[in-house]
Amino acid sequence: ETGVTQSPTHLIKTRGQQVTLRCSSQSGHNTVSWYQQALGQGPQFIFQYYREEENGRGNFPPRFSGLQFPNYSSELNVNALELDDSALYLCASSLETGTGYTFGSGTRLTVV
Amino acid sequence: KNEVEQSPQNLTAQEGEFITINCSYSVGISALHWLQQHPGGGIVSLFMLSSGKKKHGRLIATINIQEKHSSLHITASHPRDSAVYICAVQGGSEKLVFGKGMKLTVNP
Repeated sequence: ETGVTQSPTHLIKTRGQQVTLRCSSQSGHNTVSWYQQALGQGPQFIFQYYREEENGRGNFPPRFSGLQFPNYSSELNVNALELDDSALYLCASSLETGTGYTFGSGTRLTVV
Repeated sequence: KNEVEQSPQNLTAQEGEFITINCSYSVGISALHWLQQHPGGGIVSLFMLSSGKKKHGRLIATINIQEKHSSLHITASHPRDSAVYICAVQGGSEKLVFGKGMKLTVNP
């Protein structure tokens, strides 16, 4: 087992730019969820991918989009970055939906 | 009102103390998770519960489905237990809904 790996670990972007965050899920896991955690808050659900299809979405605008690849790794894309997008972005994988989650260490995004 | 409430929000304890962290939720769930987050941000899953009680080392987690309440207990606390402890519930959509977390500091 290699666990969940996220890249990059830290990132600084300018308002209006676009960013892509990456997540390699734990071996054998086919479900990936993305969460946004603002400072001092609990994580908020962005969306979930199950076998390459979006399987649920939280209250985030369309400029937050995602993708899951055949090897079940995943990307989170954010367009037209805003200052409030500054947060820790967490990826969690699981074997099928409804089972236990393995979390990555997160990507800390700062928008200036 | 948040769907998941944790108490207390912050706790400072002395090494060796018995610690209890509480979580109340207001929605129907299929499972409840206790998670640990260290300052670097990474989250470690401690327990996933749907009923009863689970124990792992010095950690014990309990859940009362009727009362929509769960507790995480730490026995013989140690400074390395210092972290943010987060309660998250899993409903029918399978997404996790998180509490804000409780920051625990254990002093030597």
